[in-house]
Amino acid sequence: DGGITQSPKYLFRKEGQNVTLSCEQNLNHDAMYWYRQDPGQGLRLIYYSQIVNDFQKGDIAEGYSVSREKKESFPLTVTSAQKNPTAFYLCASSKESGVRDTEAFFGQGTRLTVV
Amino acid sequence: SQQGEEDPQALSIQEGENATMNCSYKTSINNLQWYRQNSGRGLVHLILIRSNEREKHSGRLRVTLDTSKKSSSLLITASRAADTASYFCATSGTGGGNKLTFGTGTQLKVEL
Repeated sequence: DGGITQSPKYLFRKEGQNVTLSCEQNLNHDAMYWYRQDPGQGLRLIYYSQIVNDFQKGDIAEGYSVSREKKESFPLTVTSAQKNPTAFYLCASSKESGVRDTEAFFGQGTRLTVV
Repeated sequence: SQQGEEDPQALSIQEGENATMNCSYKTSINNLQWYRQNSGRGLVHLILIRSNEREKHSGRLRVTLDTSKKSSSLLITASRAADTASYFCATSGTGGGNKLTFGTGTQLKVEL
């Protein structure tokens, strides 16, 4: 089945630790995105990548880092510099490169809790 | 900053009734999309309307777009309990790429 897989589903982190959230897609999409969702809120863009080995900051990139070494993978690291990391994290992908009107496909999310 | 604001924040209706939710945005767009999210899950794409379109239908869904007012509406006809979810509008800007900016969402509850 084609789709986006996020892991783990639930993640607990101690204060001061870095954690990495995994996102893998087999849709052959060029673009990938990371969003953060807080309770009762919409999605806010953390980072996005339109092509391998390239990524840009979104609206709330501080305290986060990403890499895009492979087309299929776009891991997100939540660093200790992120002051309020407890949230629901969603990864998405979409076609890119000249395909303007296209939908995004989402993973099932990772719920990160700082303990 | 959030591009879209949705109204109402929450909506409760009876099965069989129609549900209408509205979205306003601030800047020029290429398209506007509606997504659905069941509690604690990822988002699922429902429908996309381009900036040069005024209305679009898909099954029980009807979307309108008024670019002069920078607003859109999503109508779900003959609602079912299974339609209970949060609904988000998202806009794709004119600055290139398909980066989406999401609204705050409408929580729809359809009661039997």
